[in-house]
Amino acid sequence: AQSVSQHNHHVILSEAASLELGCNYSYGGTVNLFWYVQYPGQHLQLLLKYFSGDPLVKGIKGFEAEFIKSKFSFNLRKPSVQWSDTAEYFCAVNARGGRRALTFGSGTRLQVQP
Amino acid sequence: EAQVTQNPRYLITVTGKKLTVTCSQNMNHEYMSWYRQDPGLGLRQIYYSMNVEVTDKGDVPEGYKVSRKEKRNFPLILESPSPNQTSLYFCASSPTFNQPQHFGDGTRLSIL
Repeated sequence: AQSVSQHNHHVILSEAASLELGCNYSYGGTVNLFWYVQYPGQHLQLLLKYFSGDPLVKGIKGFEAEFIKSKFSFNLRKPSVQWSDTAEYFCAVNARGGRRALTFGSGTRLQVQP
Repeated sequence: EAQVTQNPRYLITVTGKKLTVTCSQNMNHEYMSWYRQDPGLGLRQIYYSMNVEVTDKGDVPEGYKVSRKEKRNFPLILESPSPNQTSLYFCASSPTFNQPQHFGDGTRLSIL
């Protein structure tokens, strides 16, 4: 069965600091990878996705993520965070050859201080 | 406007009283899914549906039922709710299972 680990549960940064959130998955086959963001009181929105091709993918609002197959990782990055990036971030994976299920990590709460 | 609509948004009820949370999408998506969100656990998939009359269990299906009689609707049924089903529930849909999902605004259930 596929699983997703997000090791940073709560991250506090000052504005303009750089961000990297870890995401590791376990599944031996080909996967689709996603990062979603949930702003306070709102539903989840897609930040970016990786299906194939260039392992460095760019998303909305200046976010990017790098897929490293050998490490089963899909870390999220942003060079300079803003107060408006305060939110919870979820990594998710679905396995192309497995169950048609989407598995989420437990989430990372990011707090950006002005 | 493309959207996933859940009702009700909030519900407080008592143990054992059957309830249904409706979900409807207007994007002609084949794939629909229900999740529950609990602090520290992220989103966990309850049930999903690949298309009309095709449903399957997610990671936490116990105590829930679903049906998919029409493409646009995917109701979540709690036949005999219990306090451990108190949670925030999200419905989502996507064109196919491996496409990004569109989420509803959530339904907060409190079962006393």
